[in-house]
Amino acid sequence: QVTLKESGPVLVKPTETLTLTCTVSGFSLSNARMGVSWIRQPPGKALEWLAHIFSNDEKSYSTSLKSRLTISKDTSKSQVVLTMTNMDPVDTATYYCARIRVGATPWFDYWGQGTLVTVSS
Amino acid sequence: SYVLTQPPSVSVAPGKTARITCGGNNIGSKSVHWYQQKPGQAPVLVIYYDSDRPSGIPERFSGSNSGNTATLTISRVEAGDEADYYCQVWDSSSDPDVVFGGGTKLTVL
Repeated sequence: QVTLKESGPVLVKPTETLTLTCTVSGFSLSNARMGVSWIRQPPGKALEWLAHIFSNDEKSYSTSLKSRLTISKDTSKSQVVLTMTNMDPVDTATYYCARIRVGATPWFDYWGQGTLVTVSS
Repeated sequence: SYVLTQPPSVSVAPGKTARITCGGNNIGSKSVHWYQQKPGQAPVLVIYYDSDRPSGIPERFSGSNSGNTATLTISRVEAGDEADYYCQVWDSSSDPDVVFGGGTKLTVL
């Protein structure tokens, strides 16, 4: 059974750094046909892709947030970590991690439940 | 960057057919994936590669993609289909790689 679970702080202050962890089970982060993405959704708004990482450590970031994001993985712990620096109230959102199925055009076949992060002083 | 345009809302009576569109420049040359998101829940994949259904997704859900429009079709709509629907493409030649549409709220009357 494939599961993904996000964890991290529910409240961060402006200018602080957010660190989120996605713990996966039911598949290995070393599987060449899979990867993990982070996607966020501000309250009442659309989904926004943030970053992804593949088994070979290939990474990609949202253009608009690239300077603030870092994604990494620890295969032995089955964890993918996203850090976002200089948090702002506009970054208030539910943050999801999702499994990527690698193919001609990758897609997200399993999602975590999401974690709501509020940015406020 | 590549833009996907969805109507904000679609309404349909139970038992009828709902069609949710996703517009993009020459989207027919790309593969489109669709996600359903019910209130307070994470998105769920309902269609991938334009028209393939993951296991567990009813046959009432289908998809097509041609020209500048991809379409998610839901036949014999049920009250439980009420949700937000998002289209998504992945194009490593564009920046960003992954693009979501703005979402469509499906209301079952």
